Amino acid sequence: DAEITQSPRHKITETGRQVTLACHQTWNHNNMFWYRQDLGHGLRLIHYSYGVQDTNKGEVSDGYSVSRSNTEDLPLTLESAASSQTSVYFCASSESRENTEAFFGQGTRLTVV
Amino acid sequence: DAKTTQPTSMDCAEGRAANLPCNHSTISGNEYVYWYRQIHSQGPQYIIHGLKNNETNEMASLIITEDRKSSTLILPHATLRDTAVYYCIVNRAAGNKLTFGGGTRVLVKP
Repeated sequence: DAEITQSPRHKITETGRQVTLACHQTWNHNNMFWYRQDLGHGLRLIHYSYGVQDTNKGEVSDGYSVSRSNTEDLPLTLESAASSQTSVYFCASSESRENTEAFFGQGTRLTVV
Repeated sequence: DAKTTQPTSMDCAEGRAANLPCNHSTISGNEYVYWYRQIHSQGPQYIIHGLKNNETNEMASLIITEDRKSSTLILPHATLRDTAVYYCIVNRAAGNKLTFGGGTRVLVKP
């Protein structure tokens, strides 16, 4: 079955280190998204992509970057991890821009110490 | 995207229908109403969406008022596994960028 997977599921890193979170989907979806969720809050959009070589900033993009070199993957990079980036990160994908549901991964819990 | 207002929490008895309200008074004509739920820190799960007609699928029904300023998600026979945070989201079809609010925390009790 097609799916969307995130790795790692849990990670602890030190302040100032570069960290990359992986997201891989096998639906061949054009759209991919990264969200973060802080304790007790809803999800906030970090970056998104509508296709290969396309990336866009979301609501809370500072300190994060993404690249889209193929359809299946949208890795999220924290250039220099900060304690404020301790959060749960969710990746999502959807088929097209038009009126479709989004499918979410299981999340990556990142702790910056 | 229009803002939504949902109750913070609600309880429901197992086996009974759960009716989850959502206000979206500033919704515009090309915006859809989406519902997602999130079970205990898992990734959000799509439930249903609609534009102006009522919709039903295997999970739930969506009732949208005629003026489209509010909607109700109906879980016809709530089970313990329906305990989750339910998010009502208003979204233009183009883009699929979802704006999550605080949602409604639903607790289904035996």
